[in-house]
Amino acid sequence: DAGVIQSPRHEVTEMGQEVTLRCKPISGHDYLFWYRQTMMRGLELLIYFNNNVPIDDSGMPEDRFSAKMPNASFSTLKIQPSEPRDSAVYFCASSFSGGAGTGELFFGEGSRLTVL
Amino acid sequence: AQKITQTQPGMFVQEKEAVTLDCTYDTSDPSYGLFWYKQPSSGEMIFLIYQGSYDQQNATEGRYSLNFQKARKSANLVISASQLGDSAMYFCAGLGGSYIPTFGRGTSLIVHP
Repeated sequence: DAGVIQSPRHEVTEMGQEVTLRCKPISGHDYLFWYRQTMMRGLELLIYFNNNVPIDDSGMPEDRFSAKMPNASFSTLKIQPSEPRDSAVYFCASSFSGGAGTGELFFGEGSRLTVL
Repeated sequence: AQKITQTQPGMFVQEKEAVTLDCTYDTSDPSYGLFWYKQPSSGEMIFLIYQGSYDQQNATEGRYSLNFQKARKSANLVISASQLGDSAMYFCAGLGGSYIPTFGRGTSLIVHP
């Protein structure tokens, strides 16, 4: 089975540009999470979806950040306009809440964003 | 809401020795799960081990075991026979009935030859 797939793996952009990060969760998973990881703040939950519906976006730092999940197999995190302080690794993760599973998160490999 | 605390920012261990990474949790959920993830320098997050709050036995996965003490609200990770490849960041995470995980700040483990 394919794991969580994120793209791009690396993105270098200039301040003010729009950045779009993409995520394909594991098929059948009903939760999708976007995290941001920095040295200063650790792993921060930005937003999560349940059955494609955004449930809690209180972790989204500013209105410059937006996320969508148009269907069960695709989600985007957009930053517009980007700023140097947005430089971080952005992780997408998915999980399945049903059955006898543990609810374990499966992470993508992350998208490393550098804003110059 | 859950809170996960990892009090050790960094730990050192000699190769082949055992090491314990601390994790305490605070939750009001009657049913919850505790996870450990490893993040090597390459950056990916690797699931290591899971402990459910109702599990009678401590979880084990190869060289990893979880020292689960419910009364102390602790879920410490024990790595036996450390290897150089165990050098990484280790994150403890908790999951309650909301299915929204909470992560600790992590512990950096360095294994010396």
